[in-house]
Amino acid sequence: EVQLVESGGGLVKPGGSLRLSCAASGFTFSSYSMNWVRQAPGKGLEWVSAISSSGTYKYYAGSMKGRCTISRDNAKNSLFLQMNSLRAEDTAVYYCVRALTPVGPDAFDIWGQGTMVTVSS
Amino acid sequence: EILLTQSPDFQSVTPKEKVTITCRASQNIGSNLHWYQQRPDQSPRLLIKYVSQSISGVPSRFSGSGSGTDFTLTINSLEAEDVAAYYCHQSGSLPGTFGQGTKLEIK
Repeated sequence: EVQLVESGGGLVKPGGSLRLSCAASGFTFSSYSMNWVRQAPGKGLEWVSAISSSGTYKYYAGSMKGRCTISRDNAKNSLFLQMNSLRAEDTAVYYCVRALTPVGPDAFDIWGQGTMVTVSS
Repeated sequence: EILLTQSPDFQSVTPKEKVTITCRASQNIGSNLHWYQQRPDQSPRLLIKYVSQSISGVPSRFSGSGSGTDFTLTINSLEAEDVAAYYCHQSGSLPGTFGQGTKLEIK
């Protein structure tokens, strides 16, 4: 079964850091671009970051640029998002998402169940 | 950044009704437009890719059309399980953006 399982969410104070992880299974992880998409409580979807299949190319939304780093370990079928200088507006469910192609923007065909990040003092 | 505007924001519908949701892009995105369904308390799932291409496992009552800046998701003969939020998404240029969502409720 194709599956993405996120972990690492939780409660963090403003200005704090958090590292999200995503474990992939059931497909050839190294063949796909991977993304993080977030959803604030009661709100819509917002793309956060993408990384190409090999890890060479990385892209970030303006709202997170300079405050987060996406990475992957293809040997361990894992995706990561290191988030720093967190703000209240970063509070959201963060989804690990697979794109249809190895590089560049594309449709998102597999979504994890999400991990909740709450930034509050 | 390309802005996607969906209409309506909310619609109350009856079973077996035909539902149409539109998505307008602020600039030409060709056929790089996709649709997702998000049922309450679930993760989104891909419904339609590249405007009109079907996805395995998605009921045939879901279809998409359009090009350039104007796109439509159609649900023929709505079923109770279709109560959900629907989002359009463009991958024509970075950053990828989503519409604000359309929430369907059963009357």
